[in-house]
Amino acid sequence: QVQLQQWGAGLLKPSETLSLTCGVSGGTFSGYYWTWIRQSPEKGLEWIGEIDHSGDSNYQTSLKNRLSLSVDTPRKRFSLRLSSVTAADTGIYYCARAVYSGSPFWYWGQGTPVTVSS
Amino acid sequence: DIQMTQSPSTLSASVGDRVTITCRASQNINNWLAWYQQKPGKAPQLLIFKASSLESGVPSRFSGSGAGTEFTLTISGLQPDDFATYYCQEYSSYSRTFGQGTKVEVK
Repeated sequence: QVQLQQWGAGLLKPSETLSLTCGVSGGTFSGYYWTWIRQSPEKGLEWIGEIDHSGDSNYQTSLKNRLSLSVDTPRKRFSLRLSSVTAADTGIYYCARAVYSGSPFWYWGQGTPVTVSS
Repeated sequence: DIQMTQSPSTLSASVGDRVTITCRASQNINNWLAWYQQKPGKAPQLLIFKASSLESGVPSRFSGSGAGTEFTLTISGLQPDDFATYYCQEYSSYSRTFGQGTKVEVK
């Protein structure tokens, strides 16, 4: 059974950088697009971006200037870095797996609450 | 960007009811639509993909229909475990936009 386990700091000050990592177990890492999605009361569910095992990535247009996704294929992990955070970046961040770029999301991590506050 | 609009925002129903949720896309997305169920404190779970294909393990009381810009999720015979929030999501566009959600609550 595929499982995604995510971790990272959940309390940041404005202008800091959010860093989250998601580890994959119970399945292959190659051949999928590894995705980040966030959820907030203001914006609802929002696709952030995706990356495959080779590093091919796609970013949400509104975030691409601040967002960086990376992948560690041997360790079956992928990571998100979002710089210059503001209160608008507060929410729950999920990692997920897409079968192909642009497909729905079959498996999800447990979610990491992130709060940006001074 | 494609906008996804769900209705209603909240739906009050009883166990055994037939429940229908509508999702409208601001432009044609063919059948590139998924439905998810989310319970409090949990991640969304995929129910239906490609508008009407039931994900493995999802009870057959869930069904999806529609194409183009109008889609429905139907729960035939609501069960206690089905009280949750439901989201549609288009995957026709780069932004993979979600609807705002429909909460199914106890009447």
